[in-house]
Amino acid sequence: GESVGLHLPTLSVQEGDNSIINCAYSNSASDYFIWYKQESGKGPQFIIDIRSNMDKRQGQRVTVLLNKTVKHLSLQIAATQPGDSAVYFCAENVNTDKLIFGTGTRLQVFP
Amino acid sequence: ETGVTQSPTHLIKTRGQQVTLRCSSQSGHNTVSWYQQALGQGPQFIFQYYREEENGRGNFPPRFSGLQFPNYSSELNVNALELDDSALYLCASSQAGQPKEQYFGPGTRLTVT
Repeated sequence: GESVGLHLPTLSVQEGDNSIINCAYSNSASDYFIWYKQESGKGPQFIIDIRSNMDKRQGQRVTVLLNKTVKHLSLQIAATQPGDSAVYFCAENVNTDKLIFGTGTRLQVFP
Repeated sequence: ETGVTQSPTHLIKTRGQQVTLRCSSQSGHNTVSWYQQALGQGPQFIFQYYREEENGRGNFPPRFSGLQFPNYSSELNVNALELDDSALYLCASSQAGQPKEQYFGPGTRLTVT
């Protein structure tokens, strides 16, 4: 079946450290994946995406890694800041009409 | 801010009632998708509308229905509300064929008692 899940429900990091959020997916037919950030009281905000023909993509302070062999996706946040505190979701695009979201990881940044 | 607006912000309904939620898409976007997000869960795809017609549906019963208007705004209707319908309902707008550019609104928090 189709599913996207996360390994860690909560991740606590110290300000300035790097954060790594992991995600597993099950649908080999997905052609790309997206990471979203959701702050309290807001809708999901697009962070970065990666197509299935890529292994790595970098943005501003964020890097997404895709391992198709083990169906694993990760989001790396460099120099984590208090403003990065939120729930992070990976989402899988199966076709053009829907995104399949995982359950989310809460990132807590402490001073 | 994404430019996607939803109303109302919060809503409380009684089991068995009907509810209509509204969404205005971002300027230039012709596709609207609706998602249900239960507390502590990721959003689940309900359906998508393109050119005023349903264009894909998730695993939701027929009592979940929708509309899209010529100005691309959209409504989500839920009949015969159940307690498990309590959730945050998110609307996302995009251009057809570009799902990565789904811009989400702030959501409507529905509580069914």
